Amino acid sequence: GQQLNQSPQSMFIQEGEDVSMNCTSSSIFNTWLWYKQEPGEGPVLLIALYKAGELTSNGRLTAQFGITRKDSFLNISASIPSDVGIYFCAGQLTGSSNTGKLIFGQGTTLQVKP
Amino acid sequence: GAVVSQHPSRVICKSGTSVKIECRSLDFQATTMFWYRQFPKQSLMLMATSNEGSKATYEQGVEKDKFLINHASLTLSTLTVTSAHPEDSSFYICSARDRGMGSPLHFGNGTRLTVT
Repeated sequence: GQQLNQSPQSMFIQEGEDVSMNCTSSSIFNTWLWYKQEPGEGPVLLIALYKAGELTSNGRLTAQFGITRKDSFLNISASIPSDVGIYFCAGQLTGSSNTGKLIFGQGTTLQVKP
Repeated sequence: GAVVSQHPSRVICKSGTSVKIECRSLDFQATTMFWYRQFPKQSLMLMATSNEGSKATYEQGVEKDKFLINHASLTLSTLTVTSAHPEDSSFYICSARDRGMGSPLHFGNGTRLTVT
């Protein structure tokens, strides 16, 4: 099935460093979402983006909806140990028949060294 | 915020038996819920869309007779894995959206199914 290209696949960084990850697709999305998942739990929504070009922040997290509607990035500033987890981008397809359906990226595993 | 509750969180069953997983929206009504499956170290793959009061819509490659979905009310959808086999062992996650179409999807905490 369809899938988003998310990179990098994994990151191992020092506490305090900034982090950047992105997703690209050949399809156009009308919504981009970023989720964080910890082991054994469901994904938790971090940021939702609804308009091309939109730049939204949530604390130390900032995400942007690409102007072409085919990409998005997530930045985490001044990382802390509790940022550890798997980050997923998700795009919602256009069209009424696809309402609510999300396509997920492969995930970025983030590890933070104290 | 919107809360989606999933039960059970873990289940172990024997091959050939059936397992039911519940997904509830606790503080909102969801006409549509979604069921995902996630294998270890992989992403979430959509299995089916559960529609309140009508038949579920299954993604290509997902057997509707094996993964029975019932969305009997605006706050409850169930997924039954019938005649489970070891290859059905996985992490099953549901999600739901508030009736307002502009709201984002919220996910349950998932159900870890192990078939022995």
